[in-house]
Amino acid sequence: KQEVTQIPAALSVPEGENLVLNCSFTDSAIYNLQWFRQDPGKGLTSLLLIQSSQREQTSGRLNASLDKSSGRSTLYIAASQPGDSATYLCAVRYNQGGKLIFGQGTELSVKP
Amino acid sequence: EAGVAQSPRYKIIEKRQSVAFWCNPISGHATLYWYQQILGQGPKLLIQFQNNGVVDDSQLPKDRFSAERLKGVDSTLKIQPAKLEDSAVYLCASSRYIAGDETQYFGPGTRLLVL
Repeated sequence: KQEVTQIPAALSVPEGENLVLNCSFTDSAIYNLQWFRQDPGKGLTSLLLIQSSQREQTSGRLNASLDKSSGRSTLYIAASQPGDSATYLCAVRYNQGGKLIFGQGTELSVKP
Repeated sequence: EAGVAQSPRYKIIEKRQSVAFWCNPISGHATLYWYQQILGQGPKLLIQFQNNGVVDDSQLPKDRFSAERLKGVDSTLKIQPAKLEDSAVYLCASSRYIAGDETQYFGPGTRLLVL
């Protein structure tokens, strides 16, 4: 069964810290992996998409890495800010145009 | 570029009633998805359309849920009759069908409460 797991479920850090969110998937034959942000009561905003042939993607203070062989991805957030507080979701896709399979998310709180 | 539009934003109904949700995807996006997100969980795909056709509806409870995509653009998702466990946020998303450009763009969702 293809499953995605995110640990921890919740994380609280002081402003300015660098932090890492983890995502693991049971079937390593992924097509691509996508990280999303979800603010309370809102839809999902795409942060980064990594193709299966890539090792990492960067956007501003965000860096996502992918290790297919071990079935893991990490989202690194540098110099965290209170505005980064949200739920972060990882999702994998197993074929072109296919559905996304989501993890349950990590709820991040960055304290001023 | 306008985003994915959904309506209504909130809906409260009694169990066994019917409800319908509407989605307008980003212009030019061939693929449309409906997801169900239960509180504290990640979204789960209910149905995926490619233009007018259904690509994947394996997790759609077909005894009570139905969906259609009109002329390959707008889509409606219906629940009839609703159960308590249908309380969730229903998210619509759309994407292009181009290799290397498959980012899914999500609407704000419809929050459903079944009493």
